[in-house]
Amino acid sequence: KAGVTQTPRYLIKTRGQQVTLSCSPISGHRSVSWYQQTPGQGLQFLFEYFSETQRNKGNFPGRFSGRQFSNSRSEMNVSTLELGDSALYLCASSSGQVGNTEAFFGQGTRLTVV
Amino acid sequence: DQQVKQNSPSLSVQEGRISILNCDYTNSMFDYFLWYKKYPAEGPTFLISISSIKDKNEDGRFTVFLNKSAKHLSLHIVPSQPGDSAVYFCAASDSNSGYALNFGKGTSLLVTP
Repeated sequence: KAGVTQTPRYLIKTRGQQVTLSCSPISGHRSVSWYQQTPGQGLQFLFEYFSETQRNKGNFPGRFSGRQFSNSRSEMNVSTLELGDSALYLCASSSGQVGNTEAFFGQGTRLTVV
Repeated sequence: DQQVKQNSPSLSVQEGRISILNCDYTNSMFDYFLWYKKYPAEGPTFLISISSIKDKNEDGRFTVFLNKSAKHLSLHIVPSQPGDSAVYFCAASDSNSGYALNFGKGTSLLVTP
């Protein structure tokens, strides 16, 4: 069974640009969550999508957005990039069923904003 | 505000001994707790979880203990092996609010031969 796939693995962008990251969940999983990891703040929850609907959202500005497609693949977009957006962005997949919150992570996309 | 806290940034243990990693939480609505292991430049790997209806869950060398009254959980690794050296994250969720995992900042475990 294939794991969670995130593309690209590495990305360098300039301040003010926008970026789109992609995540393909484990086959059969309908929930995709996104997390930002930085040295100072640790792993912070961005948002969760289930069946193409955003079900939960963390405390991030509106520059951070996402969507989920009918095949459960998800994309995350960050507009007007800031230096502080440099981080490892992790996607997690889970079944999304009540009582089962085990999430399986991809290897992440390392975003560097210069 | 940090709702899940891992107060020990690092821990060093000899091979064969027990490793105990601790985690505290503040939100009484959390009802599901997980431990993840992470190597640099990789995503976290799920280790073990526990529901709030239990106080202990075991999986091989890994045991998680939950003390709801103290809002405290711990991960025991017995016996510790050099391959266990990694950063361990504690995470908690309120299953009634969806599937957002609240993570601690991690404890770096070093198992020495």
